[in-house]
Amino acid sequence: ILNVEQSPQSLHVQEGDSTNFTCSFPSSNFYALHWYRWETAKSPEALFVMTLNGDEKKKGRISATLNTKEGYSYLYIKGSQPEDSATYLCAFEPRGKWEEYGNKLVFGAGTILRVKS
Amino acid sequence: DTGVSQDPRHKITKRGQNVTFRCDPISEHNRLYWYRQTLGQGPEFLTYFQNEAQLEKSRLLSDRFSAERPKGSFSTLEIQRTEQGDSAMYLCASSVWGPDSGNTIYFGEGSWLTVV
Repeated sequence: ILNVEQSPQSLHVQEGDSTNFTCSFPSSNFYALHWYRWETAKSPEALFVMTLNGDEKKKGRISATLNTKEGYSYLYIKGSQPEDSATYLCAFEPRGKWEEYGNKLVFGAGTILRVKS
Repeated sequence: DTGVSQDPRHKITKRGQNVTFRCDPISEHNRLYWYRQTLGQGPEFLTYFQNEAQLEKSRLLSDRFSAERPKGSFSTLEIQRTEQGDSAMYLCASSVWGPDSGNTIYFGEGSWLTVV
């Protein structure tokens, strides 16, 4: 059974604070690691797809790092804004049957972020 | 809007009734996935299609659940003889599957099912 853990479960921060979340995933059979932002009543929005050990990706004030050898990824938000309030999901994509290509996503339970103005 | 669309967005049904959800993926996406999400959990994989072929079904998908993707375009997820435990959000997603690694998987807004 593949296990993906996210911490913390929830986070309340003040506007302007920087914050980070952790995603732990199996270090074997790795294909890709996905981060999503999910706001209430909307579809999950893809933030990053990370595939290489040591990958660092950035999108505005949000960035993510990847360590496939030890099986973790960090998501950072710099200068949090109220509009960053959402559930942040990570999902592990293991190698598929034919080895080269990916497979279905295995999600963590998410980190709920609330940013107070 | 050219994203993944799902219909209906909300469905309330009586226990024992059948319900069907429809998903229209992003055009030209060859992979289509169904996930289910319950409160406090991340989405859980149910099944996926490569074009019209259903490649895998989760053990979560009992015999009361059936999914189809005729002609490799839209997909339907039918739940027969619904039970209260089926109450959840059903999410559809699509992607282009191929040799390039790290393809983004795009999700719809989900279909909420409440079984009373």
